[in-house]
Amino acid sequence: AQSVTQLDSQVPVFEEAPVELRCNYSSSVSVYLFWYVQYPNQGLQLLLKYLSGSTLVKGINGFEAEFNKSQTSFHLRKPSVHISDTAEYFCAVTVYGQNFVFGPGTRLSVLP
Amino acid sequence: DAMVIQNPRYQVTQFGKPVTLSCSQTLNHNVMYWYQQKSSQAPKLLFHYYDKDFNNEADTPDNFQSRRPNTSFCFLDIRSPGLGDAAMYLCATRSSGEGYNQPQHFGDGTRLSIL
Repeated sequence: AQSVTQLDSQVPVFEEAPVELRCNYSSSVSVYLFWYVQYPNQGLQLLLKYLSGSTLVKGINGFEAEFNKSQTSFHLRKPSVHISDTAEYFCAVTVYGQNFVFGPGTRLSVLP
Repeated sequence: DAMVIQNPRYQVTQFGKPVTLSCSQTLNHNVMYWYQQKSSQAPKLLFHYYDKDFNNEADTPDNFQSRRPNTSFCFLDIRSPGLGDAAMYLCATRSSGEGYNQPQHFGDGTRLSIL
């Protein structure tokens, strides 16, 4: 079975600073990976996805993530964050024919 | 815009009083999911429909039921809500026609409070 780890439950960062949110997964087969963002009292919004091909994936709102198969990681990065990026971020993994497995989430707080 | 719509956004019910949450979609996706999300936690899958086929997660309490009368609508029924059922309930959809690797699309959720 698959599992997802997000080691950082909370990440505070100052506005305009870079940020990296970490995601590691475990799976014995090929995976598909996703990052979702959740703003307060809203549903989950897809930021980006890795299905195959280039390991560097660009998403919405200036975010990108890099798939590293040897390290079983899919870390999310943004070079310069804004106050509006304050939200909960979830990494998710799925394999063929299976439901999504979500990580526990990372709360990003952007400070002025 | 095509989307997933959940009604109501906020629902208050009394302990033990049945409640129904609804979800509709204009994406024409054949797979629909219901998740329960408690504060500062990841969404927890309750069940999903693959077309008309209902798939219950092993640890979903019997208190939770679902109906899907057609492709566009799906309902979550909580027969006798307890205090522990207070949570955000999220509906999501996905198209399997393009492969199993397609993302899920979420509604904005219904926040359920139990008095």
